[in-house]
Amino acid sequence: DTEVTQTPKHLVMGMTNKKSLKCEQHMGHRAMYWYKQKAKKPPELMFVYSYEKLSINESVPSRFSPECPNSSLLNLHLHALQPEDSALYLCASSRGQGPRTEAFFGQGTRLTVV
Amino acid sequence: KNQVEQSPQSLIILEGKNCTLQCNYTVSPFSNLRWYKQDTGRGPVSLTIMTFSENTKSNGRYTATLDADTKQSSLHITASQLSDSASYICVVELNTNAGKSTFGDGTTLTVKP
Repeated sequence: DTEVTQTPKHLVMGMTNKKSLKCEQHMGHRAMYWYKQKAKKPPELMFVYSYEKLSINESVPSRFSPECPNSSLLNLHLHALQPEDSALYLCASSRGQGPRTEAFFGQGTRLTVV
Repeated sequence: KNQVEQSPQSLIILEGKNCTLQCNYTVSPFSNLRWYKQDTGRGPVSLTIMTFSENTKSNGRYTATLDADTKQSSLHITASQLSDSASYICVVELNTNAGKSTFGDGTTLTVKP
């Protein structure tokens, strides 16, 4: 199994809603990532978890709250988002966090904030 | 200014033709350079990875080159197919324990019949 599975594939939410994005991998990877990608732009790193602990937070607003309940799961909790937060949210995982470890990406969740 | 610059920004070619995409980088400390293919609305998929000492790597019809002295890389696609239409992203992975990477803005390739 070399897949990173993200759910849902699409999500439309209002600015007062609370929702969560989910990511799952069963490759035994110990590093997991959240990226945000706007149209025609490269992915931007948001958070990195290593061995279920948050190791990198790229100054992401607190309306995005990551959670890593176990080594296979990564969640991104969303609350009070703005329309400009609409984007493709990508989850990735890798064997470790060091160099030369390939990151496997999920298909992404297309988020629209209305 | 992005420390990983790709050119051209977009490219249209006819099916069966070859093309070459460019990537110049200034970011350091360099560990590896990776090329990803990203289909519209999907996650990126790794095509090739090269370390400092490697100057060419092939994956089927994709051939990547790296000149670590001039800090330039290219991705050559041979005998293009319609399914090659995608965004191609050059990523420089840094030689740090954090394993952070710097992404280029990508080249959007359209292959027409």
